This record gives sequence, C-alpha cells and structure tokens, in this order.
Amino acid sequence: DQQVKQNSPSLSVQEGRISILNCDYTNSMFDYFLWYKKYPAEGPTFLISISSIKDKNEDGRFTVFLNKSAKHLSLHIVPSQPGDSAVYFCAATYSSASKIIFGSGTRLSIRP
Amino acid sequence: GAVVSQHPSRVICKSGTSVKIECRSLDFQATTMFWYRQFPKQSLMLMATSNEGSKATYEQGVEKDKFLINHASLTLSTLTVTSAHPEDSSFYICSAVRGVKDNEQFFGPGTRLTVL
Repeated sequence: DQQVKQNSPSLSVQEGRISILNCDYTNSMFDYFLWYKKYPAEGPTFLISISSIKDKNEDGRFTVFLNKSAKHLSLHIVPSQPGDSAVYFCAATYSSASKIIFGSGTRLSIRP
Repeated sequence: GAVVSQHPSRVICKSGTSVKIECRSLDFQATTMFWYRQFPKQSLMLMATSNEGSKATYEQGVEKDKFLINHASLTLSTLTVTSAHPEDSSFYICSAVRGVKDNEQFFGPGTRLTVL
C-alpha cells in the first residue's frame, strides 16, 4: 500500500517557466511533509518542508503548498533553471517518529 | 553543516559473498540512523531503523538475517548484506538523524551494490 504517491513519473518544463510537482498521500496521521531532490548515484538532498499546521511554505524559488482536506501537496519552482533537472521525491512522516515515507519520485527535465 | 558519508560508494561482488557498507555521521552524533534501498526508477524503500546500542528495527518483508545492521557508536552504523545474490543488487542509502528535532535527517551519498 503506497501511502505517498507521485503519479507523474516525469515532467518537462521550459527554462524560466514554472514547474509544478504533485504529490498525494493517504495516511491522515502524517503531519510533516518534505521534498527531496536527487541526482543519479547520489543520496537525496533536502529541499523544503511543510508542517500540517501550515498550508504554504516558501523558500526562494521553491514553494510547497499543502491541502489537507484533499491530502495533496505540490512543489512549485519558479523560475525553473537547468540545474533543477533531477528526480524529486515527496515524503511524509509523523511527528512522533523520524521514519520517512517516500513517494516514487518525479523526474523533472528543464529544457532550454 | 551536517555530513553523512558512506563507504564504499560502489562495490561489485560475487554471488554468495558478504558485503559490508558503512554509514558515518561526520560532524554530529546520531542516535538513530536509517537504511534505505532504491531499485532503478523506483522510490527509496526504508529497510530498517538503526538505534545506537540496541537491535535494529526492520520493516516488514526485510530479512533481518540477510541484512545485518550494527549501530556500534553514535557516528557509525553498518549494513552487511550476507550471502549476496544478484537480486540484492541495488542502491543502498543511509541517513542519520541529528539532535532531538524530528525530521532533521541527513542522507549519505549512497552505495551501489552489484552482485554478479
């Protein structure tokens, strides 16, 4: 049972435009959500997170939106840059534990 | 910053041999470390939670006798793949939790294991 789902395995966006990556979750006990960026043959690096008490968190070009009623979150990158090309993992966890549940990832390609 | 290293970064071994992968937190102490596994084009799957000074907690479906985890100190956890077979070939990633704040987790660079 996949508790965190990323239904788009890949996404191609033109440089300078907005990239929107989506994520859905099924477990209502999750109260902390994270986005990680991963290059091939490397470990994931933390990008941005959001607590369930918020519906938006912004850090530079990256903004995460959380819709608890829909159990949906999204990552917006604007403007998209070539260096943003990577696999992005959505993840969720409980505040009482540090175990992170990852989605299947979305490969983002930024084209010139 | 918080740095987590893994050694080796890449290993190729023959079927039936055992392989040990080390995970170290270089500039902080980690009472908890996690081991993940990633198959090509798939998500990171949590294998086990490694706690310093106690037995590891394995996720459902992960064979504890095959994937031996030892958290010998606050900066080192090891994963030993015993009697490795080709289906064990994968990308293994560890992470370490710093401090008492939940979710402050830092990932290692990963180890690519290929079993011939």
